Amino acid sequence: AQSVTQLDSHVSVSEGTPVLLRCNYSSSYSPSLFWYVQHPNKGLQLLLKYTSAATLVKGINGFEAEFKKSETSFHLTKPSAHMSDAAEYFCVVSDIPGDMRFGAGTRLTVKP
Amino acid sequence: EAGVTQSPTHLIKTRGQQATLRCSPISGHTSVYWYQQALGLGLQFLLWYDEGEERNRGNFPPRFSGRQFPNYSSELNVNALELEDSALYLCASSRGPQPETQYFGPGTRLLVL
Repeated sequence: AQSVTQLDSHVSVSEGTPVLLRCNYSSSYSPSLFWYVQHPNKGLQLLLKYTSAATLVKGINGFEAEFKKSETSFHLTKPSAHMSDAAEYFCVVSDIPGDMRFGAGTRLTVKP
Repeated sequence: EAGVTQSPTHLIKTRGQQATLRCSPISGHTSVYWYQQALGLGLQFLLWYDEGEERNRGNFPPRFSGRQFPNYSSELNVNALELEDSALYLCASSRGPQPETQYFGPGTRLLVL
């Protein structure tokens, strides 16, 4: 069965410093992996997705994630945090059509 | 291109009543998904419709049901409302089944008193 674990419920960084949001997954097949962001009182926006092409995936707003099969990880990174990055981030795994499993979410706080 | 739209934005009901939530997918998308985002429980998959058929459902009781219309819009019905049904209900659409990207609407916030 597919599942995803986001290792940190809350991450706090200073503006201009790197961001690392950690995600481990479990899947019996070759999964598709996604990162979504949710700003307060808004719907979810796709940041990036991995579907068995390049292992380093570049997304919007300077975010990227690296698929590491040996570590079953799909961590999200950004070189320099901006105040507007403060939001909830969800890692998602899917290896069955129509079935997406969301992680519990990581709340990112960006301090001035 | 218009995004996924949901109505109403907010809905207040009392315990035992029925709620109907509506979703219009992005033009050209045939799959619609419903999720429940309850406080402290994260995002839970509810239902998936594709080409008018229910393709999959999450671990929710039968009082959660829905349908997809010929124009691919969808309706989620929740019968016999319970206090625990209070949540943000999100609809998403995609061109077809996974791994197609799902695009989310802004949600309907349901409050059950």
